[in-house]
Amino acid sequence: DAKTTQPPSMDCAEGRAANLPCNHSTISGNEYVYWYRQIHSQGPQYIIHGLKNNETNEMASLIITEDRKSSTLILPHATLRDTAVYYCIDLGSNDYKLSFGAGTTVTVRA
Amino acid sequence: GAVVSQHPSWVICKSGTSVKIECRSLDFQATTMFWYRQFPKQSLMLMATSNEGSKATYEQGVEKDKFLINHASLTLSTLTVTSAHPEDSSFYICSARVHTTGGQYFGPGTRLTVT
Repeated sequence: DAKTTQPPSMDCAEGRAANLPCNHSTISGNEYVYWYRQIHSQGPQYIIHGLKNNETNEMASLIITEDRKSSTLILPHATLRDTAVYYCIDLGSNDYKLSFGAGTTVTVRA
Repeated sequence: GAVVSQHPSWVICKSGTSVKIECRSLDFQATTMFWYRQFPKQSLMLMATSNEGSKATYEQGVEKDKFLINHASLTLSTLTVTSAHPEDSSFYICSARVHTTGGQYFGPGTRLTVT
């Protein structure tokens, strides 16, 4: 079962930053925070992951609070193609199984 | 890099027949692959973990005799849905774990419709 909690849905305007929150109330010290997204009728796509420090790649930025109980995925300039279901997942370094919750349905509007 | 393919992308079969779905890691070796099922408007549900050269590990409630998994090489895992019934109609997705980095990448999914 998923251990993270996310808001069920979120709208954002095209061209603006989208900030997606996630609560990790039961995360343990050796678990990473992973973010995936699933565009309709496709397989999930890896976005980014981190342990303690903030991370940035070509797709997004990941902000993890100091206590690691929450994280925020930032899409800096949302486009219509970013409309998808976004999942945050806690995954241990020796654990292989990704447990998907309900995720956040993000709708980017023109 | 880290591309995973699935074949077929969609399939329609009659009730009682068997269907095989292939999952391939195209540019990396995957000692571990995973099979998920997703019903409409629901999240992905892990069905089984497939390890190269050994038997698959099934999640609770998944019938191993109905969903046969074979992982005979480092780049190929297959899922066979035996004696398919309409309730098996679903979106089946595989993922493959990169042996060297531990990253996990997903295939595009296979839409199965059983009539």
